[in-house]
Amino acid sequence: GQNIDQPTEMTATEGAIVQINCTYQTSGFNGLFWYQQHAGEAPTFLSYNVLDGLEEKGRFSSFLSRSKGYSYLLLKELQMKDSASYLCAVSDSNYQLIWGAGTKLIIKP
Amino acid sequence: GAVVSQHPSRVICKSGTSVKIECRSLDFQATTMFWYRQFPKQSLMLMATSNEGSKATYEQGVEKDKFLINHASLTLSTLTVTSAHPEDSSFYICSAKNLGGQDMGETQYFGPGTRLLVL
Repeated sequence: GQNIDQPTEMTATEGAIVQINCTYQTSGFNGLFWYQQHAGEAPTFLSYNVLDGLEEKGRFSSFLSRSKGYSYLLLKELQMKDSASYLCAVSDSNYQLIWGAGTKLIIKP
Repeated sequence: GAVVSQHPSRVICKSGTSVKIECRSLDFQATTMFWYRQFPKQSLMLMATSNEGSKATYEQGVEKDKFLINHASLTLSTLTVTSAHPEDSSFYICSAKNLGGQDMGETQYFGPGTRLLVL
């Protein structure tokens, strides 16, 4: 079966760095996505990785290792507004998105 | 770029009535749109994939006669919840792929969602 695993919840301190991991087992791979979803709102796109390596976008970076079926989202200089759920999703061989359950990130002052 | 809108943002209706939700891609053409449902504190659940000019593909367990999807143009898809019941109350979110995007058109961009409450 197809499976996306990510931690249910993480807590970090304002100004710090946090890494949210995602491991996947899918039938085929056509890219991995990270989305941010604030409570009561729709997801917003953060990043897309299809090749191995690190993609940096400001305070957010996303890493992919296809051989390990592993990705992480790195958030630097955490701000209170970063408190949200972070969703990992993989596009499989049919270009269907397989969604993780999301990681709720709690930022403390 | 890649902005998706949804209307209405909130709707309250009586049990047994039908509700139509519109999803529009504002600055790009979307041959494929997706409809999701999300219950409180739960994951996104894909309901159906909507392709312009053809019938939608529904996920297992989603009643196609209850959730009518029409994708009549490259910028508009509609979801109609027919004979709505309280258990249909949920957060309905659409998304669209931008084929003209830099990521080979694979990224889904989400609308702001529609919160449906059936009394």
